[in-house]
Amino acid sequence: EIVMTQTPLSSPVTLGQPASISCRSSQSLVHSDGNTYLSWLQQRPGQPIRLLIYKISNRVSGVPDRFSGSGAGTDFTLKISRVEAEDVGVYYCVQATQFPRTFGQGTKVEIK
Amino acid sequence: QVQLQQWGAGVLKPSETLSLICAVYGGSFSDYYWSWIRASPGKGLEWIGEINHRGGTNYNPSLKSRVTMSVDKSKNQFSLRLTSVTAADTAVYYCAREVIVARGAFDYWGRGTLVTVSS
Repeated sequence: EIVMTQTPLSSPVTLGQPASISCRSSQSLVHSDGNTYLSWLQQRPGQPIRLLIYKISNRVSGVPDRFSGSGAGTDFTLKISRVEAEDVGVYYCVQATQFPRTFGQGTKVEIK
Repeated sequence: QVQLQQWGAGVLKPSETLSLICAVYGGSFSDYYWSWIRASPGKGLEWIGEINHRGGTNYNPSLKSRVTMSVDKSKNQFSLRLTSVTAADTAVYYCAREVIVARGAFDYWGRGTLVTVSS
């Protein structure tokens, strides 16, 4: 199975400053159909898990544009341009190029 | 507005069978895959498997021998059965909707059901 490795596992950030989370896969996530099925999820305290980004960089409707995804092949990044208090939570990458779907370990974003 | 409401027994003894149901309110039932995912402190998020409206399934090989998923289209519900549970199956279990044309886009989630396996 594809192993997803996130770094860092914890990210203390000052309000208004940027944050960046890396996600690396043990194999290329390019599917035979040409798409790369890498998504980013957010889990805020007491809230349902929320989809932020799919297919590397497609932001879900309603997700603030301070969230952006990038990358290709095996290296992917989620960036928050200016962290707000409501961004505190755990962020996961997930690949759906191969079965079984696999997740990164999660990165906890907290305010310094 | 799409909602996924899930329920099932929260406490099991070793060797018993875990059973969870997820009801889908709003949206199409046939245009998506319906997944079960669990979260535990030791393993993080783990994909258990998925089912479509026709009953087609894909399971995680690590759980395949113990997992059965089914769908009831008349009620817009899908379910999970996991047999012979052990303490290692203690986790929060989530149901989620995955967009077929954008695999990995788990766009709606249930609130989660804590299942504890203890003698």
